[in-house]
Amino acid sequence: KNQVEQSPQSLIILEGKNCTLQCNYTVSPFSNLRWYKQDTGRGPVSLTIMTFSENTKSNGRYTATLDADTKQSSLHITASQLSDSASYICVVSPSGGSYIPTFGRGTSLIVHP
Amino acid sequence: NAGVTQTPKFQVLKTGQSMTLQCAQDMNHEYMSWYRQDPGMGLRLIHYSVGAGITDQGEVPNGYNVSRSTTEDFPLRLLSAAPSQTSVYFCASSSDARTYEQYFGPGTRLTVT
Repeated sequence: KNQVEQSPQSLIILEGKNCTLQCNYTVSPFSNLRWYKQDTGRGPVSLTIMTFSENTKSNGRYTATLDADTKQSSLHITASQLSDSASYICVVSPSGGSYIPTFGRGTSLIVHP
Repeated sequence: NAGVTQTPKFQVLKTGQSMTLQCAQDMNHEYMSWYRQDPGMGLRLIHYSVGAGITDQGEVPNGYNVSRSTTEDFPLRLLSAAPSQTSVYFCASSSDARTYEQYFGPGTRLTVT
């Protein structure tokens, strides 16, 4: 069964600090991996999309990395801001005939002033 | 561009009642999908559509029906509501089923008593 595991489950950091969130997956064959940010009470918003051949993608202060050999991805947030407080969700989509993505449970990040 | 809109934002149903959750997008996206999000779990795909007139089942389709008569609209019907369908429902759209950014609606919070 396809699985996406995220760690840590929750994280508290001080404003201005950096942090890294992890995502391990078993989805195979693999099409792409996405990171989303979900604010409380809102729908997810896409941060990055990486295909099999990409190993890094940046979006402002967010940098995602992908190691397709070890089936691991990370999301690095630089110089955190209070507005970064949210849930960060890793999603892996299969290739081939299936359109059904597998979502991780998310990492809840709280940034304190 | 309104993006992806969902109505209603909140709904309370009694067991056995039926209702339709509305979803519309104005980005001319071919791919649309419905997810449910439950506490402590990742989003799960209910149904999806790769174009007008074409729908297919996702991971958790039981108890739900969909249709896609136009590119813009993708309603989700609950046939006979059950307490297990208490959840937050998100509609999403994208240009492509796999490789493009998905845009999520704001969600509908449904409670079945």
